[in-house]
Amino acid sequence: EAQVTQNPRYLITVTGKKLTVTCSQNMNHEYMSWYRQDPGLGLRQIYYSMNVEVTDKGDVPEGYKVSRKEKRNFPLILESPSPNQTSLYFCASTDPWGGTEAFFGQGTRLTVV
Amino acid sequence: ILNVEQSPQSLHVQEGDSTNFTCSFPSSNFYALHWYRWETAKSPEALFVMTLNGDEKKKGRISATLNTKEGYSYLYIKGSQPEDSATYLCASSGYSSASKIIFGSGTRLSIRP
Repeated sequence: EAQVTQNPRYLITVTGKKLTVTCSQNMNHEYMSWYRQDPGLGLRQIYYSMNVEVTDKGDVPEGYKVSRKEKRNFPLILESPSPNQTSLYFCASTDPWGGTEAFFGQGTRLTVV
Repeated sequence: ILNVEQSPQSLHVQEGDSTNFTCSFPSSNFYALHWYRWETAKSPEALFVMTLNGDEKKKGRISATLNTKEGYSYLYIKGSQPEDSATYLCASSGYSSASKIIFGSGTRLSIRP
């Protein structure tokens, strides 16, 4: 079954404590992306990756890091989380160039206190 | 940066009625327009991906049209059912930034029994 798997689904953490949200896809997609969803703002792109070792900033990259060492995995790293990073996060993958549908992970609800 | 706007922000419809809503996107350098259905506590799921001006796609009671010259797409739901209650997201990507799929803030649809 084609899927994008995110972990954890829910996370409560404290300000400044480094955390990683994992994302893995089994469709051999080259393109992967992270989004955050906040009320009234839709999905905003944080980082994306066109292929292994190729990553680029989206619209709201501040405070986040990513890596793409393998094609299937695209972890999102918060080195020093702050309360304004409390949000719902989605990972997605697709074939390149956005002409095919994106498959989304289940979402990670992060709360930073 | 592409701006994708959806209207209305929310919509309440009586069961059995038909409805439609709009997605507006910049028409220059257009590449693809996506529609997603997003139920509470689930991940967005793709409904349609359209690339050609005049495209019309249909899936059951849901259909969509695309006008790339004027930069809009309509999503239609015929004979609304309670299970149609969800947020409908549209997203656009352009040739100059084809790797960035930019989402609107969504139309939240509620069906009254």
